[in-house]
Amino acid sequence: NAGVTQTPKFQVLKTGQSMTLQCAQDMNHEYMSWYRQDPGMGLRLIHYSVGAGITDQGEVPNGYNVSRSTTEDFPLRLLSAAPSQTSVYFCASSYSRQGSEQYFGPGTRLTVT
Amino acid sequence: TQLLEQSPQFLSIQEGENLTVYCNSSSVFSSLQWYRQEPGEGPVLLVTVVTGGEVKKLKRLTFQFGDARKDSSLHITAAQPGDTGLYLCAGVGFWNSGYALNFGKGTSLLVTP
Repeated sequence: NAGVTQTPKFQVLKTGQSMTLQCAQDMNHEYMSWYRQDPGMGLRLIHYSVGAGITDQGEVPNGYNVSRSTTEDFPLRLLSAAPSQTSVYFCASSYSRQGSEQYFGPGTRLTVT
Repeated sequence: TQLLEQSPQFLSIQEGENLTVYCNSSSVFSSLQWYRQEPGEGPVLLVTVVTGGEVKKLKRLTFQFGDARKDSSLHITAAQPGDTGLYLCAGVGFWNSGYALNFGKGTSLLVTP
């Protein structure tokens, strides 16, 4: 099993550009989520999904869109990038059971100039 | 958002020393998880504590969940350079349609030979 994979590993965008961060898991997990990690802020939840076709907002959803058309994939879209979205983005997946282990991808380091 | 406060924020010690990291909240959590993150990688789960007063051991690491399930601690005995990393506590909380992890800001540990 590859676990949770994320692409790209690094990305530089200009303000106003759009892009999609890809996330895929091969563990048949129902639950997937996106976090951003900023220095001194810890990991903050952006969006999450409890299954295919179901998504919901987390703590910091503004400026990001998600969709979940399959169990395996959970892409994160930045519609119009802003410097405040410079961060490291992590995708995670877990069984739907509350409190189960979350498996994190290796992260995408995004810089918006 | 249920806030988790971790202390200390930074810790630099020599090999062989003992240390304790604290994770405190004013909220009650159904369970709490500890993760370790190494540079350039995603967090990896160390342990989940569920029951108030619970103590779990993982080799030289001892994890304790407070009786009221509001706080937790991580104690490392005879630290080694391989213990270097960012230690994150995360409380399992409920969001709109499911649950999510509320992360503390982390404790950055450096163990020097």
